[in-house]
Amino acid sequence: RKEVEQDPGPFNVPEGATVAFNCTYSNSASQSFFWYRQDCRKEPKLLMSVYSSGNEDGRFTAQLNRASQYISLLIRDSKLSDSATYLCVVGFNNRKLIWGLGTSLAVNP
Amino acid sequence: EAGVAQSPRYKIIEKRQSVAFWCNPISGHATLYWYQQILGQGPKLLIQFQNNGVVDDSQLPKDRFSAERLKGVDSTLKIQPAKLEDSAVYLCASSFINEKLFFGSGTQLSVL
Repeated sequence: RKEVEQDPGPFNVPEGATVAFNCTYSNSASQSFFWYRQDCRKEPKLLMSVYSSGNEDGRFTAQLNRASQYISLLIRDSKLSDSATYLCVVGFNNRKLIWGLGTSLAVNP
Repeated sequence: EAGVAQSPRYKIIEKRQSVAFWCNPISGHATLYWYQQILGQGPKLLIQFQNNGVVDDSQLPKDRFSAERLKGVDSTLKIQPAKLEDSAVYLCASSFINEKLFFGSGTQLSVL
């Protein structure tokens, strides 16, 4: 089993749709969680950190489920500009980070 | 605030040649990372520095790859000799404390 797993997609959704991605992790000792966004031929950029209580930033909501060992990212009212690859990252107390392979999202007009 | 600087932006070499990449992290960021990203895959950590010490180089192919971070600031990554499968984007990133990484634009390497 991979340490961090994501559905590669692609997810094709119409503008205005709500879409959710999950990311599962295998190591229960994981301590920090992040979602990064990567546009085509660009570098990854931090989208949001994921906190135990869940957190929201505008149309984006991230949640952590420690019992089931997954994190989720919910995008409401999708925009064309949300089209990108979303990368899940899991961190440990030794500062080691494990990256998922990413989930591709295409928002269509 | 200046971001992470990388050069060159693109590099084309023939197999068995050598190549070097340079990275200047954000000022004050103690941690520096080199990642390799093959098209369609997530970034793969090659090496992680904390100041000028190596934290993790477990996935660095040490027979051909080397990296250094003199004085705990700039870093160089070298490949010698290059293989076809080294064709990828090489990303440098830095972070301050909380593991939030800031990436440079990357170097697109093509090995022919």
